[in-house]
Amino acid sequence: ETGVTQTPRHLVMGMTNKKSLKCEQHLGHNAMYWYKQSAKKPLELMFVYNFKEQTENNSVPSRFSPECPNSSHLFLHLHTLQPEDSALYLCASSQGAGLGMDTGELFFGEGSRLTVL
Amino acid sequence: DQQVKQNSPSLSVQEGRISILNCDYTNSMFDYFLWYKKYPAEGPTFLISISSIKDKNEDGRFTVFLNKSAKHLSLHIVPSQPGDSAVYFCAASARGTYKYIFGTGTRLKVLA
Repeated sequence: ETGVTQTPRHLVMGMTNKKSLKCEQHLGHNAMYWYKQSAKKPLELMFVYNFKEQTENNSVPSRFSPECPNSSHLFLHLHTLQPEDSALYLCASSQGAGLGMDTGELFFGEGSRLTVL
Repeated sequence: DQQVKQNSPSLSVQEGRISILNCDYTNSMFDYFLWYKKYPAEGPTFLISISSIKDKNEDGRFTVFLNKSAKHLSLHIVPSQPGDSAVYFCAASARGTYKYIFGTGTRLKVLA
């Protein structure tokens, strides 16, 4: 079983739909992340959770709503998205630690390719 | 403002030769740097990292060099193999902040 699993791998939704992306990690990590990858742009950090607490919200519009019920699961709830939100959404995890400590490298899932019509 | 830059969008190298991928950063608070490799339809996979207390880190065919004064790092792959053909991302972080900032990537093609 892969370390970080994302479902669904592909999602097509209309602008008025509500859908969710799911991420699960089996690495015993304590930090989880959502990144967005758009064409010809760098990976953009969206949210970070460390020990289930949100530690970073990188000015993400409220139509993206994260949820982290425990250290192994992370969701991204999607509502009234725009066509420009079409992208690859990548979940990642890392060891996680307190401030000033090494957080370790990120381990990524395979991504969820989202298309908004 | 892009804090991590990979100015070469693509690079072609002959099999067996050295591949050198470059990355520049602007934020002097960054002290931890990573390289990732990405194949199509897969997530990025971690390759190698370096802390700012070092100027070189080696792992098999992969070596990362860090020049703090120039705010520049590079990834050397030698010898290059066709299976190395992928997009390579560099990333930077300030210790403990959880903010890993990525470059736009360099597409490496190793020609057989």
